[in-house]
Amino acid sequence: DAGITQSPRYKITETGRQVTLMCHQTWSHSYMFWYRQDLGHGLRLIYYSAAADITDKGEVPDGYVVSRSKTENFPLTLESATRSQTSVYFCAILASGTTDTQYFGPGTRLTVL
Amino acid sequence: EDQVTQSPEALRLQEGESSSLNCSYTVSGLRGLFWYRQDPGKGPEFLFTLYSAGEEKEKERLKATLTKKESFLHITAPKPEDSATYLCATSGGSNYKLTFGKGTLLTVNP
Repeated sequence: DAGITQSPRYKITETGRQVTLMCHQTWSHSYMFWYRQDLGHGLRLIYYSAAADITDKGEVPDGYVVSRSKTENFPLTLESATRSQTSVYFCAILASGTTDTQYFGPGTRLTVL
Repeated sequence: EDQVTQSPEALRLQEGESSSLNCSYTVSGLRGLFWYRQDPGKGPEFLFTLYSAGEEKEKERLKATLTKKESFLHITAPKPEDSATYLCATSGGSNYKLTFGKGTLLTVNP
């Protein structure tokens, strides 16, 4: 258990709806990340955050919005969901200290109809 | 652009049959190479971090090695509970972003 929770664990929504996926860490690690995992593509970085109020784009940011008003929370919002955003979404934190190791949450499976 | 390629895509072994998984990478200024294990329906579970060529790390039946171009995950006398997808990732340059390979699905039959 890496102290990372994601909610909801499963979500079904319709095209055009707004959806927010939540990520919460029980510590206060600075870096947090959002990835999506799709068959044939592996894990791809969507957005990351180096600290509260500091966010930056990853490899596949289009259609997503993030915010980080509190260190422990890093929500990911799909402003107008599309079928291509059907995926499994993982949040991760960077363990503080001398390593660059990221630890992952349990994931949210999102289906957009 | 960083690239990570894992092979084979899938590997089926008999219990006790040792083998290796390969991870080839291209990255500017390697910060670290990471191995994760992922079970169905779960998030990736951290196994190892390797930082420089020649480094080796072991955990139970797993041993990870690193050269300047690739990493190997050696599995000695595997058991059915070792069945999972094994992911390789790199971080490079001045940031902590990870680039993942597509993974190797390992199945160990009893």
